[in-house]
Amino acid sequence: DARVTQTPRHKVTEMGQEVTMRCQPILGHNTVFWYRQTMMQGLELLAYFRNRAPLDDSGMPKDRFSAEMPDATLATLKIQPSEPRDSAVYFCASRPGTGGYEQYFGPGTRLTVT
Amino acid sequence: AQSVAQPEDQVNVAEGNPLTVKCTYSVSGNPYLFWYVQYPNRGLQFLLKYITGDNLVKGSYGFEAEFNKSQTSFHLKKPSALVSDSALYFCAVRDTNSGYALNFGKGTSLLVTP
Repeated sequence: DARVTQTPRHKVTEMGQEVTMRCQPILGHNTVFWYRQTMMQGLELLAYFRNRAPLDDSGMPKDRFSAEMPDATLATLKIQPSEPRDSAVYFCASRPGTGGYEQYFGPGTRLTVT
Repeated sequence: AQSVAQPEDQVNVAEGNPLTVKCTYSVSGNPYLFWYVQYPNRGLQFLLKYITGDNLVKGSYGFEAEFNKSQTSFHLKKPSALVSDSALYFCAVRDTNSGYALNFGKGTSLLVTP
């Protein structure tokens, strides 16, 4: 049963610290998305990649957030420095290059910045 | 811009009764529409999609959705609700500007009572 995996599942950190979240997309999926979910804003698209190239990161605060795909099996989302308002659940999702456009989500990383 | 609206924050239904979760869309061209479900502390799970063809789409866990072009709606339905269907439901539409991303609604919380 192919799944998107994310690590860590939970992260508590202090304001100002660097946070790195990792995602392993489903093998063979070439499009990877990062989302953030909060009660106030709902589900927000932060960035996405196709064939490891960033296509859109307009949803991301540029000064502190960065997203990369070092290889086809790993996507990372980094926050430096972190702030309390970054507290949220961060989801990774992937989809194959062809097909019906549905995305498959990972379990999320719950980030708490104190 | 391609968007969906979910007019109800919460839907309450008794177990065994039919349920409907509403979604309306605003797109230029033909819409690609999706429903996802999110259980507590989990990622979003794909339920079903409409791309083309039959207006009644069947999906996972006994759910179905009806595409109505004249009313620009894509309501999610189930003939007989289960307590285990209680979750957060998201409608989404393909973003034709990017071709890859999905634009999600704010979600509707479904509560099925015994």
